[in-house]
Amino acid sequence: DTAVSQTPKYLVTQMGNDKSIKCEQNLGHDTMYWYKQDSKKFLKIMFSYNNKELIINETVPNRFSPKSPDKAHLNLHINSLELGDSAVYFCASSQGLAGGQQFFGPGTRLTVL
Amino acid sequence: DAKTTQPPSMDCAEGRAANLPCNHSTISGNEYVYWYRQIHSQGPQYIIHGLKNNETNEMASLIITEDRKSSTLILPHATLRDTAVYYCIVRVLGYGGSQGNLIFGKGTKLSVKP
Repeated sequence: DTAVSQTPKYLVTQMGNDKSIKCEQNLGHDTMYWYKQDSKKFLKIMFSYNNKELIINETVPNRFSPKSPDKAHLNLHINSLELGDSAVYFCASSQGLAGGQQFFGPGTRLTVL
Repeated sequence: DAKTTQPPSMDCAEGRAANLPCNHSTISGNEYVYWYRQIHSQGPQYIIHGLKNNETNEMASLIITEDRKSSTLILPHATLRDTAVYYCIVRVLGYGGSQGNLIFGKGTKLSVKP
C-alpha cells in the first residue's frame, strides 16, 4: 500500500490557469506538508498543516493555497500559474509537527508553458 | 539556509562501505542530526537520526563526533540502488513551527559503481 500518494504525477498547463494537486496519506499522521523542488534541485518547504490548521507558511505567493478536507488529505491549489511555478511538488506527512521523520510522496512534476 | 556542509559528490564501489561526511559546526545542544536521501525522480526518504550517541538501523549507521560538530553516515554494503543524493539536516526535535522545519541543503550525490 502506498503510504503517501499524489495525483497527478505529471501536470502540463498554460500560464494563467488554475490547477490543483492532491495528496493523501494512509499512515494515520496528523501533520502534512508541501515542498517545492525547483530546477536546481533545491527542496524547500511551502506549507504544513496540523489538525487542519496552517502552522507554517513560508514566503510563498498567495496564489498558492493548501486545503485540507480532513487530516488524511492536503491538496495544493495554485491560481494564475506562472512560468516560475514549474517544479516538482512533494507532499509529506509526519506524526506531529515536531516529529522529524517525514514520509514523502512520489512528487508531481508541474510544467507551465 | 542549511546549517550543514557536505561534499557535492562521492563515488563508492558496489559492495563496499559508503561513508558520507557532514559538517555541522554550529549545531545547538538541542538539535538532532537527520539523514534523508533522494533517489532520482523519487521523493526524499528518511534514513536515520541521532543526537549524540551513534545510531544504527536496518539501512545505515550514524556516527556523531563527541563534540557533535560533524557526523558520518555509513552504508555498510552499498548497492547500485543506493545511488542517490544524501541530505544531512540538523533540526530541533520536539519543536513545532518554523524552527522545526527540515531545511534541505545541496546534499551529496553518491554514485555506486559496479
